[in-house]
Amino acid sequence: EAGVAQSPRYKIIEKRQSVAFWCNPISGHATLYWYQQILGQGPKLLIQFQNNGVVDDSQLPKDRFSAERLKGVDSTLKIQPAKLEDSAVYLCASSLLGGGNTDTQYFGPGTRLTVL
Amino acid sequence: AQSVTQLGSHVSVSEGALVLLRCNYSSSVPPYLFWYVQYPNQGLQLLLKYTSAATLVKGINGFEAEFKKSETSFHLTKPSAHMSDAAEYFCAVLPNYGGSQGNLIFGKGTKLSVKP
Repeated sequence: EAGVAQSPRYKIIEKRQSVAFWCNPISGHATLYWYQQILGQGPKLLIQFQNNGVVDDSQLPKDRFSAERLKGVDSTLKIQPAKLEDSAVYLCASSLLGGGNTDTQYFGPGTRLTVL
Repeated sequence: AQSVTQLGSHVSVSEGALVLLRCNYSSSVPPYLFWYVQYPNQGLQLLLKYTSAATLVKGINGFEAEFKKSETSFHLTKPSAHMSDAAEYFCAVLPNYGGSQGNLIFGKGTKLSVKP
């Protein structure tokens, strides 16, 4: 079974530039998550989709971050404009059902973003 | 707000020695608890989870964890460390709001080094 795919794996940009990350979840998984992992910290949930609807985006900085999941499959996360503090690893995860204690999240390898 | 604390950002053990990684949670209602492992340049992988069944939970790769409500702890152990166990380990809590659940909240992680 193919895992969660993410691209690019690494990205270096200047502050105030824009950047986009792509995620392809495990086939058939209804729920998709984007996390931000700053160096030295655990992952923090940015947004959760179930199919193509947003379940939770309470921690997404909506003035600069946006995400979409068209057709309930692939997803993109965009930052515009980027700030220095956005330097982090962006992890995508997917789960079969709608989340909760019985629903395991499977993580992709992440995209490491460096903002100069 | 619920939180999880991992004591020790870096733990070093000798090969064959006991591994003990500490995790404490703050919650008045016992949450669901998870341990994830992250190898370099890879995403997170679920090691084990506690979902209010047995308090001693066995996971993959010989790891286990014990839920202790009186101590609000969920420490991860392995009797004998192997070189391949070197990785970063994250404890996570899924808040239990009595029928509904929030999203995973991760600790800051503990990096495990194994000396030959």
